[in-house]
Amino acid sequence: DAGVTQSPTHLIKTRGQHVTLRCSPISGHKSVSWYQQVLGQGPQFIFQYYEKEERGRGNFPDRFSARQFPNYSSELNVNALLLGDSALYLCASSPNEGRYREETQYFGPGTRLLVL
Amino acid sequence: GDSVTQMEGPVTLSEEAFLTINCTYTATGYPSLFWYVQYPGEGLQLLLKATKADDKGSNKGFEATYRKETTSFHLEKGSVQVSDSAVYFCALIKVSGSRLTFGEGTQLTVNP
Repeated sequence: DAGVTQSPTHLIKTRGQHVTLRCSPISGHKSVSWYQQVLGQGPQFIFQYYEKEERGRGNFPDRFSARQFPNYSSELNVNALLLGDSALYLCASSPNEGRYREETQYFGPGTRLLVL
Repeated sequence: GDSVTQMEGPVTLSEEAFLTINCTYTATGYPSLFWYVQYPGEGLQLLLKATKADDKGSNKGFEATYRKETTSFHLEKGSVQVSDSAVYFCALIKVSGSRLTFGEGTQLTVNP
């Protein structure tokens, strides 16, 4: 079975532009989470979506938004890009809402965003 | 808030050496604990996990034991290989939540 897939793999944008990142979860997984990993640091939680509803939001500005589609794929949107938004953006999927001790989140390869 | 603290890196070892990467956590409630590994240019892969006190997670020769009394989840391997060179992240998730909280990561380099 295919794992979590993300597109594009790399992206270069300039300050002030908008970007859309895409994620397809593992088949049968209903929850998608987004994380930002700045170079040299651990990933930071941005959003979680389950059954098309936002179930969690990290400490990120309103420039960051996301949505989940009926097929459980997801998009992360970032408006008015800043230099500090340069990072690896990771998507993770899990079978259910992730509120169970046994659930594991499976990560995709990430989208590397560079803002110039 | 919740937090995970990992030993400062980077760590450089010779092949077949013993590995320990320390991880301690602060969290209310009773979290599940994870070790993820990130190879160069790739995303995160789950290495092992433990969901309750005294549980031992193990995979590919790596082990970690959930110690509630010391709030620790140290990663160990008896004999490292060059192919183990990667960044290792300790993480927690609370049973009432769905977000992973990660440590800063520890870069491991194994030389032949």
